[in-house]
Amino acid sequence: GAGVSQSPRYKVAKRGQDVALRCDPISGHVSLFWYQQALGQGPEFLTYFQNEAQLDKSGLPSDRFFAERPEGSVSTLKIQRTQQEDSAVYLCASSTPGSLPYEQYFGPGTRLTVT
Amino acid sequence: GQNIDQPTEMTATEGAIVQINCTYQTSGFNGLFWYQQHAGEAPTFLSYNVLDGLEEKGRFSSFLSRSKGYSYLLLKELQMKDSASYLCAVMDSNYQLIWGAGTKLIIKP
Repeated sequence: GAGVSQSPRYKVAKRGQDVALRCDPISGHVSLFWYQQALGQGPEFLTYFQNEAQLDKSGLPSDRFFAERPEGSVSTLKIQRTQQEDSAVYLCASSTPGSLPYEQYFGPGTRLTVT
Repeated sequence: GQNIDQPTEMTATEGAIVQINCTYQTSGFNGLFWYQQHAGEAPTFLSYNVLDGLEEKGRFSSFLSRSKGYSYLLLKELQMKDSASYLCAVMDSNYQLIWGAGTKLIIKP
């Protein structure tokens, strides 16, 4: 079956622009995670959904970051008024809680470059 | 605070064995994961340990000691395709993954 997909794969934005990053999780996966990964670092947690409910958004770095999953499947991460420090790879992962080991399946990521 | 430590970079020879260590301090523990990440690609799951001991899966094995807050990933019969970053991640009491910065493994012929 299809894995997690993300679009666009690459995005170049001018400082101050708004961007929207899309994630299509594996069909039937209840949990969806967004991570930010800087070059040479591990992923940093941004936010977590269970179905359409955003259960944890403690990792969002500022109020310019907003995520939604209105129908419990596709999710969008929006960044308003992008800054250079937002340049990173944004990874989406999905999983099915209730079955060990809660393995997270990752999408290929969106590489965002803010100029 | 929560902390995952692993070496930044390691070098090994094709055909050899390498051990990548990971130490952790987290709020609660619901298992430790190892992921492999090739440059420019998504992390892919390698192993999961929640009980002490060694889990073997082909050329890869992972060990956990909860009392020591320590794990290692053992890679045998190294192949050039094993050149990648290896990420250690701990699932905390909220079932969130806390990630290390990753160990870049360089395989030389």
